[in-house]
Amino acid sequence: DVKVTQSSRYLVKRTGEKVFLECVQDMDHENMFWYRQDPGLGLRLIYFSYDVKMKEKGDIPEGYSVSREKKERFSLILESASTNQTSMYLCASSPPKGSTNEKLFFGSGTQLSVL
Amino acid sequence: TQLLEQSPQFLSIQEGENLTVYCNSSSVFSSLQWYRQEPGEGPVLLVTVVTGGEVKKLKRLTFQFGDARKDSSLHITAAQPGDTGLYLCAGASQGGSEKLVFGKGTKLTVNP
Repeated sequence: DVKVTQSSRYLVKRTGEKVFLECVQDMDHENMFWYRQDPGLGLRLIYFSYDVKMKEKGDIPEGYSVSREKKERFSLILESASTNQTSMYLCASSPPKGSTNEKLFFGSGTQLSVL
Repeated sequence: TQLLEQSPQFLSIQEGENLTVYCNSSSVFSSLQWYRQEPGEGPVLLVTVVTGGEVKKLKRLTFQFGDARKDSSLHITAAQPGDTGLYLCAGASQGGSEKLVFGKGTKLTVNP
């Protein structure tokens, strides 16, 4: 069964801490994405990557960075966590556009609380 | 910026009722996807519609893509408690971007 695995289901961090959210996929997908999900705001794209070491800003990249050193792993980094970054973070992967199985495969999410 | 307006935002109905969720935009999409998300899980794809006017059925769920490929609807017949969840529409732009544009979601509760 194909899988996108996020390292933590729940995280509690303090304001100013550096936070790493890890995501691993086992489907050899080129594309990987980080979203945050907030009530009433839906899913908002933070960053995405279409290849190793490649990254592109999404709609709300401020306060975040990403790393993709290996094809299967995409990390989201909060350099200095703030309370407004408390959210559910969802990682997803997908095959390239035009593939027969073109869809997003999501992880189960990480609920991050910044105190 | 492409936007997808999804309505209603919340829907609470009794088992056996029918319902329709709408997803509208002023932009044209090359395809549109519907996802369902259960509490504590990530969204899971239900269907992709590609052709204007296309209708797809998945058991009691009927999905329609508008003729102009700017809107879509999801109709559930005889809703069951197991249909409870967050329904999200997502559009793929015509420009070839790998990104999807998501609606804000419809939270459906089906009461027994």
